[in-house]
Amino acid sequence: SQQGEEDPQALSIQEGENATMNCSYKTSINNLQWYRQNSGRGLVHLILIRSNEREKHSGRLRVTLDTSKKSSSLLITASRAADTASYFCATDALTGFQKLVFGTGTRLLVSP
Amino acid sequence: DTEVTQTPKHLVMGMTNKKSLKCEQHMGHRAMYWYKQKAKKPPELMFVYSYEKLSINESVPSRFSPECPNSSLLNLHLHALQPEDSALYLCASSQAGGSYNEQFFGPGTRLTVL
Repeated sequence: SQQGEEDPQALSIQEGENATMNCSYKTSINNLQWYRQNSGRGLVHLILIRSNEREKHSGRLRVTLDTSKKSSSLLITASRAADTASYFCATDALTGFQKLVFGTGTRLLVSP
Repeated sequence: DTEVTQTPKHLVMGMTNKKSLKCEQHMGHRAMYWYKQKAKKPPELMFVYSYEKLSINESVPSRFSPECPNSSLLNLHLHALQPEDSALYLCASSQAGGSYNEQFFGPGTRLTVL
């Protein structure tokens, strides 16, 4: 299976702290995306990083990609209670551009 | 309009019922997707339509029947489902072609099969 593994499975922090989530995957990819899902709702796209990129920023988000290790990390700085959600990485195989495979997810709880 | 809508929000059906889930987008996207998500699990791809044609079927049982009547609409017809089919069904859309396309998700339909 191409499914990515994420760790930690769950993360609990205080507001203002940084949160780091890691994703590992198995096959070569075109790009890696991160999505957020609030409880029982649809997913929201956060950021996409291409296989030839190593780091990308978007607001309080910082994503890194190491294709040699087949891993990525998502850093959320200065977290807020509203960041409480599940976070999934998603990869596409080199064939089948439209087929995203989601990682197992990290459940983040940010306490006020 | 950057929204994907799904109806109904909740659906309870018996194993002998026939029902349909509906998805609509008006972003001009030509790729649409159905995902199934069980509790505390990641979404799993079921079907992909590209330019109104079925391009990916992830070996989904025939009791799930997708339909793409036009470029804005996607249906999932349900018949003779099993209790284990209870899940959140998510629809998504994206630009077709290329590999650098984010997917826009609807809020999902929570399906319970009795």
